[in-house]
Amino acid sequence: EAQVTQNPRYLITVTGKKLTVTCSQNMNHEYMSWYRQDPGLGLRQIYYSMNVEVTDKGDVPEGYKVSRKEKRNFPLILESPSPNQTSLYFCASSLGTGLSGANVLTFGAGSRLTVL
Amino acid sequence: AQKVTQAQTEISVVEKEDVTLDCVYETRDTTYYLFWYKQPPSGELVFLIRRNSFDEQNEISGRYSWNFQKSTSSFNFTITASQVVDSAVYFCALTAGSARQLTFGSGTQLTVLP
Repeated sequence: EAQVTQNPRYLITVTGKKLTVTCSQNMNHEYMSWYRQDPGLGLRQIYYSMNVEVTDKGDVPEGYKVSRKEKRNFPLILESPSPNQTSLYFCASSLGTGLSGANVLTFGAGSRLTVL
Repeated sequence: AQKVTQAQTEISVVEKEDVTLDCVYETRDTTYYLFWYKQPPSGELVFLIRRNSFDEQNEISGRYSWNFQKSTSSFNFTITASQVVDSAVYFCALTAGSARQLTFGSGTQLTVLP
């Protein structure tokens, strides 16, 4: 089944304890992206990747890191989490990156992170 | 810069009523794509429709219809004869220009009461 898989789905952690949210897709998609969803703000893009070893900042990159060493994986790293990073996180991928009509995003199920 | 505005934060209707969700977008690019996604209570995000800027034809899919009007920069979504299962958060989104970013609106929470 074609899908985007995120882990963990739920996590409670404490301020300053490094954590990684993994994201993997099995559709050979070039484009991958991370979003955070907060009440009243919709989804805001954190980072995106056009292809392997190509990453760029989205609208809210502060406090996050990403890497794209393999096409299928795009982990989100919080080096020193803070309470304002408590949020619902979504990973997404799409086949295309340009205005080819191919950039319909497939989303993971979401990861709910709480930082105490 | 691109922006999507969904002014309706929450809408509540009774089953079988028709409901329209508004979406207003801003972009300076002449080529762009508009999307609607649905987020049911289970939390996943489900793609509903994509429309490009050169195709202003309205689209109907079952009880769902979309009205794209470039003159008012709007891409509204209507659910006819709403059902309880339509209860969800609905997001409008836009990608334009370099298309490296998909910008979402803040979402509209639709509640359909039995």
